[in-house]
Amino acid sequence: IAGITQAPTSQILAAGRRMTLRCTQDMRHNAMYWYRQDLGLGLRLIHYSNTAGTTGKGEVPDGYSVSRANTDDFPLTLASAVPSQTSVYFCASSDSWGRSLHFGNGTRLTVT
Amino acid sequence: QQPVQSPQAVILREGEDAVINCSSSKALYSVHWYRQKHGEAPVFLMILLKGGEQKGHDKISASFNEKKQQSSLYLTASQLSYSGTYFCGTYQGAQKLVFGQGTRLTINP
Repeated sequence: IAGITQAPTSQILAAGRRMTLRCTQDMRHNAMYWYRQDLGLGLRLIHYSNTAGTTGKGEVPDGYSVSRANTDDFPLTLASAVPSQTSVYFCASSDSWGRSLHFGNGTRLTVT
Repeated sequence: QQPVQSPQAVILREGEDAVINCSSSKALYSVHWYRQKHGEAPVFLMILLKGGEQKGHDKISASFNEKKQQSSLYLTASQLSYSGTYFCGTYQGAQKLVFGQGTRLTINP
């Protein structure tokens, strides 16, 4: 593993189903983030974590939950997926000073 | 609240210059700039801190005016490789980095 790994790469999901997007980093960064990207709306922050054990809400947190049990992993869960959650999801991490974000390659999620 | 970028899209010929602006209604302490090529993840370009500093990265430079709550990204003598979508980002609280809606830059030969 080098950098940030997201899984799966893409997923088609039936509405109402539960889904967890995985994110793992090996850079020992304290801060991690989840963004969704939709055409014309840019990158919107869903949730973030300053350090293991803490999380915070971003711009569009409704319908999503996160956990940060350790430094490396930051999974994003959709408890009951809806079509409006169709998007590309990016996980990112940064050092404590937030000088630059390193992004994973994204997960393309389609909710039908 | 998202920072606002302008223009939303730019089409240039190779060798021409471009300016992308980013403004915020909230006080700015730093501004990040990222570039995202089609189908790829965003990549960090530079960060500007308080003090009106300018930075350069090859032929891409940026300025930051915290009094006006604005930053501008300058692309000089654009190359085909500069094509992509550019995002500015600002912190809305600790570790809460929020991005603008992006500016799509197309460079034609």
